[in-house]
Amino acid sequence: AQSVAQPEDQVNVAEGNPLTVKCTYSVSGNPYLFWYVQYPNRGLQFLLKYITGDNLVKGSYGFEAEFNKSQTSFHLKKPSALVSDSALYFCAVRDRRGFQKLVFGTGTRLLVSP
Amino acid sequence: DGGITQSPKYLFRKEGQNVTLSCEQNLNHDAMYWYRQDPGQGLRLIYYSQIVNDFQKGDIAEGYSVSREKKESFPLTVTSAQKNPTAFYLCASRADTYNEQFFGPGTRLTVL
Repeated sequence: AQSVAQPEDQVNVAEGNPLTVKCTYSVSGNPYLFWYVQYPNRGLQFLLKYITGDNLVKGSYGFEAEFNKSQTSFHLKKPSALVSDSALYFCAVRDRRGFQKLVFGTGTRLLVSP
Repeated sequence: DGGITQSPKYLFRKEGQNVTLSCEQNLNHDAMYWYRQDPGQGLRLIYYSQIVNDFQKGDIAEGYSVSREKKESFPLTVTSAQKNPTAFYLCASRADTYNEQFFGPGTRLTVL
């Protein structure tokens, strides 16, 4: 069965510092991996995805993520955090077989302090 | 929230009532989904539909029902059999196999 772990409920970082939000996954075969962001009382917004190819994926708003197959990880990163990045971040994985259901992690709250 | 609308934004239900949440998309996407979001639990899949007139149960379908009579529409009914329906409900759609899901703005349902 597919699963996603986001080991940190909350990440605190100062504005201007680099940020990392961690994600590890378990899936049979090669995965499709996604990051979404959610602002309060809003739907999820797509940030980036890994389907195949380069292990470093660049996405929206200056975010990037690195796919590491050996460590089954897909950590979200940004070189310089903004206060406006404060939100809830979800990692998701999809199996390439069957209907390809998306399985989400429990989310990590990012707080960027001024 | 790009092309997916959900209504109403807030919904209050008395115990024993059925309520229907609307989801409409103008993205011409084939696949549509309903998720439930509870604090600290991430998103859980309720139902999904790959094409018109076809839908499948997700992980937590008990107490819910759906229909897919039109490509653009995928309404969710929360029935009185759902014992703990207070949650944030999100609808999503996807274009094809390789693409991400797009989410609507959500409906917050509260049982009084």
